[in-house]
Amino acid sequence: ETGVTQTPRHLVMGMTNKKSLKCEQHLGHNAMYWYKQSAKKPLELMFVYNFKEQTENNSVPSRFSPECPNSSHLFLHLHTLQPEDSALYLCASSQDETGGYEQYFGPGTRLTVT
Amino acid sequence: GQNIDQPTEMTATEGAIVQINCTYQTSGFNGLFWYQQHAGEAPTFLSYNVLDGLEEKGRFSSFLSRSKGYSYLLLKELQMKDSASYLCAVTDSNYQLIWGAGTKLIIKP
Repeated sequence: ETGVTQTPRHLVMGMTNKKSLKCEQHLGHNAMYWYKQSAKKPLELMFVYNFKEQTENNSVPSRFSPECPNSSHLFLHLHTLQPEDSALYLCASSQDETGGYEQYFGPGTRLTVT
Repeated sequence: GQNIDQPTEMTATEGAIVQINCTYQTSGFNGLFWYQQHAGEAPTFLSYNVLDGLEEKGRFSSFLSRSKGYSYLLLKELQMKDSASYLCAVTDSNYQLIWGAGTKLIIKP
């Protein structure tokens, strides 16, 4: 238990569906992250929020839409996804975006797009 | 471009020692992390190096040479539970974390 929770743990959705992933951290951290992890590939940073402000958007397609209502919660809204978007989506948090602060990861959401 | 290289897979024997190497080319350097990830689970923090030298933490040690763009993770007295992927990640000049693809370590009895 890392103090970062994610729901749902598994999600199967069609290409026309709309769904949301939820992340919550109980660590009092100021920075939160969304990552995509595909088999045998490096973790891909998607979005970073620091003090609720988005500071990074690594050329992510608009079919992924993040939302950070407060420092403890992070959402990833999904719509009209493609089969290649099937992957493990990890949420993480850290004390701050800068500096040598380790990131704490949630268990991830295994997403399958059919 | 920015790049992190580490072996894809390694095999070692229970009770032995294994060294997992990581080389990096990044725009600036503000620290290097090692994470462990068991299959189907989240990555968990192992170590952080920002200065040259060896950091020891129980059975695990991590070494850094900034001039060579090189680090290694040393695991001693290997146990079956050490079977996992080990991820190397470097913080660049913009404090963005650049990740390697990970090294899958297989421990055999």
